[in-house]
Amino acid sequence: GENVEQHPSTLSVQEGDSAVIKCTYSDSASNYFPWYKQELGKRPQLIIDIRSNVGEKKDQRIAVTLNKTAKHFSLHITETQPEDSAVYFCAARTGGGADGLTFGKGTHLIIQP
Amino acid sequence: DTGVSQDPRHKITKRGQNVTFRCDPISEHNRLYWYRQTLGQGPEFLTYFQNEAQLEKSRLLSDRFSAERPKGSFSTLEIQRTEQGDSAMYLCASSFLAGTPNEQFFGPGTRLTVL
Repeated sequence: GENVEQHPSTLSVQEGDSAVIKCTYSDSASNYFPWYKQELGKRPQLIIDIRSNVGEKKDQRIAVTLNKTAKHFSLHITETQPEDSAVYFCAARTGGGADGLTFGKGTHLIIQP
Repeated sequence: DTGVSQDPRHKITKRGQNVTFRCDPISEHNRLYWYRQTLGQGPEFLTYFQNEAQLEKSRLLSDRFSAERPKGSFSTLEIQRTEQGDSAMYLCASSFLAGTPNEQFFGPGTRLTVL
């Protein structure tokens, strides 16, 4: 089955700086890669996603890049703000009839004022 | 509230008891998913339905777990003979199948504590 590795587990950055979270996946058949943000005690919420036919996608301060050859994808947050503090999860969907997402273990992003 | 809802939000039970959770998806969504999340980990996929058909089950879904979606709307997840290792947050999500992978919207979860 699919295996998703996520790094780092904790990331502390100064407010206004950029943050980068990296994930790798094992199944070359995976075709959909969402990123979820989960605040303490809240449900996971999608912040951006990318499909395997696209190399990069951007939405305001958030961008995701995908390298299918290397089987890794990354989340980039620019001009970080205090409200960006949360746990971020990457995930992969294998496809081919399988629709369940395989999640990484999460990155706790801390924005230092 | 038009989002995914789950009931109950919290459940405390004794080891060996059976528990049942309910999930109500977003009304027009035809796919419904169950995940389990333990502290400090990402959600782990358990199973999903397209309408009333259960299309995929994870190896994590032992024989003590059963899920149903009898009319293609709400779903229930039952755990029989609960064990302490079943303590976790059980998350439900829904999506609308439209030919390509679409966003899975998560509910608030049911936190299960097995004593």
